[in-house]
Amino acid sequence: DAGITQSPRYKITETGRQVTLMCHQTWSHSYMFWYRQDLGHGLRLIYYSAAADITDKGEVPDGYVVSRSKTENFPLTLESATRSQTSVYFCASSDVGPGNTIYFGEGSWLTVV
Amino acid sequence: TQLLEQSPQFLSIQEGENLTVYCNSSSVFSSLQWYRQEPGEGPVLLVTVVTGGEVKKLKRLTFQFGDARKDSSLHITAAQPGDTGLYLCAGANTNAGKSTFGDGTTLTVKP
Repeated sequence: DAGITQSPRYKITETGRQVTLMCHQTWSHSYMFWYRQDLGHGLRLIYYSAAADITDKGEVPDGYVVSRSKTENFPLTLESATRSQTSVYFCASSDVGPGNTIYFGEGSWLTVV
Repeated sequence: TQLLEQSPQFLSIQEGENLTVYCNSSSVFSSLQWYRQEPGEGPVLLVTVVTGGEVKKLKRLTFQFGDARKDSSLHITAAQPGDTGLYLCAGANTNAGKSTFGDGTTLTVKP
């Protein structure tokens, strides 16, 4: 029961570099999400996807790109990393329906120096 | 934009004490969830409430959804150090897919 896995778990990168965080889920859930979590801000939605080839912006999409060519994968790319993107990134998935449970990955700790 | 405000932001208590945390909004939600997050891990669902006025109990935790479905509370009886963590509420609307999260309440229970 692998669930939802993220990679890498820890990453240090330099300002201006492109970084891709990977996310894979084994449940065939329709919805997938990327959140960032910073001290004092809880979880902020970056992008989400309702199905393969459908993506939508969340609260804080600037500087990020996503794709979803397959239902099970939802990579997040930082096109040109900035120090303000230092954060913990959580991928999550859920099925459609009221009160649907959101299942989170273990997080990817990204530091931009 | 639907906002959820949680209070208090931080709470530090002794083992055995009772506590209540709140999740308030000016918007109506079709369902509201509470998640608990331990350090270094992702949030994990505790409960989902969908009916106004609903009360759910999970061992020492009692969750209530407001009659108007705009607010919720989480009450912990006789808190234990294992209850330490970040408690997040999240509101959703029918078939909206995405949820709105509050900023969380960080609870520390000291032995």
